[in-house]
Amino acid sequence: AQTVTQSQPEMSVQEAETVTLSCTYDTSESDYYLFWYKQPPSRQMILVIRQEAYKQQNATENRFSVNFQKAAKSFSLKISDSQLGDAAMYFCAYRSVRSGATNKLIFGTGTLLAVQP
Amino acid sequence: EAGVAQSPRYKIIEKRQSVAFWCNPISGHATLYWYQQILGQGPKLLIQFQNNGVVDDSQLPKDRFSAERLKGVDSTLKIQPAKLEDSAVYLCASSLDRSGSLRDGANVLTFGAGSRLTVL
Repeated sequence: AQTVTQSQPEMSVQEAETVTLSCTYDTSESDYYLFWYKQPPSRQMILVIRQEAYKQQNATENRFSVNFQKAAKSFSLKISDSQLGDAAMYFCAYRSVRSGATNKLIFGTGTLLAVQP
Repeated sequence: EAGVAQSPRYKIIEKRQSVAFWCNPISGHATLYWYQQILGQGPKLLIQFQNNGVVDDSQLPKDRFSAERLKGVDSTLKIQPAKLEDSAVYLCASSLDRSGSLRDGANVLTFGAGSRLTVL
């Protein structure tokens, strides 16, 4: 069974600085998707960025980028030029793409990011 | 487009009482999910529907939890009787189609704001 581990329960960053959130996962599959979701307090979870395992190029979305290390099963999220609105819980998630798989996401335990003005 | 709607946002009940949560997915989304998010943990899938059929309910505590999606649109999740450990946020999500577009990533889940349950 696949598992996702986020070893940083809480992180803090100064406004305009850069922060990296860590995620590792365990799977025996060679093809899959990885996601980072953001969950602001009392608000809905939204997709930040996704990475397809068969693509070697790291995904980028504006100030958000990932460092995908397939052999190490590592998937970190880098937030550049941090803004107050980035404060939230961040979840790393895994999804299989094997034949017959469902669209189910397997989540880590989350990292609570605080942004200091 | 309108997002995933959930109600109620908050509910407080005594243990052994019953509670029901409602979810209306994005229009046209065939797949609907209920996740349970306990404080300090990541969301865990309880049940997944494809239209009005169940795809995965392997982690649903069937002795007390039930869910239905009778017309393939909105869904209700019920807990009866509730236990203290059921205190959590119940997230509903929807996606376009389970069977299609897994590779190109189009089948992204969209989440609702959640229903927070406190069992006393």
